[in-house]
Amino acid sequence: NAGVTQTPKFQVLKTGQSMTLQCAQDMNHEYMSWYRQDPGMGLRLIHYSVGAGITDQGEVPNGYNVSRSTTEDFPLRLLSAAPSQTSVYFCASEGIGAGELFFGEGSRLTVL
Amino acid sequence: DAKTTQPPSMDCAEGRAANLPCNHSTISGNEYVYWYRQIHSQGPQYIIHGLKNNETNEMASLIITEDRKSSTLILPHATLRDTAVYYCIVRVGANSGYALNFGKGTSLLVTP
Repeated sequence: NAGVTQTPKFQVLKTGQSMTLQCAQDMNHEYMSWYRQDPGMGLRLIHYSVGAGITDQGEVPNGYNVSRSTTEDFPLRLLSAAPSQTSVYFCASEGIGAGELFFGEGSRLTVL
Repeated sequence: DAKTTQPPSMDCAEGRAANLPCNHSTISGNEYVYWYRQIHSQGPQYIIHGLKNNETNEMASLIITEDRKSSTLILPHATLRDTAVYYCIVRVGANSGYALNFGKGTSLLVTP
């Protein structure tokens, strides 16, 4: 059971480039979300999804795009990377009635 | 979701109980108290959650005051591996469609 898998683990981009952070879970969880964590700060919610075809914005959605075409996958797209998006990104999923979020190991992004 | 207040840091001697307080004075009747922790730069790990009754699992105990305005997470026999940032979060139940709002948490240092 792999749980929540994020790829890539590390990425360096130049300003203006676009990329997609991948997130996949094999627990058949309906709920998935993306967070970012900046040095010395807690996690802040970017986008979340309550099921396939349904997404919503979190606290800091600007500059990011998401889609949920399947239950398993919840990719996060950076449309035009900016240095302010340098951060560690975490994907999480939650099963029905569980109350427990499972987090991936994180993707460390640097934008130059 | 209601906001929480936690001390920024705490120390605990190895083998002793670690008692981490959390204030959530504006909690609503349908909001649960959740605890997560983050070890170094890994993804957060679920610890425990509760509504109004005290809860215990293999990791910790959660004590919620009768008025539900505060709670305490207890690690009964802290080890060096319990050194982490601990987050107290209030949330409208499982699968509510609302993702967790992390603050800065309490940085717990367990010393030999």
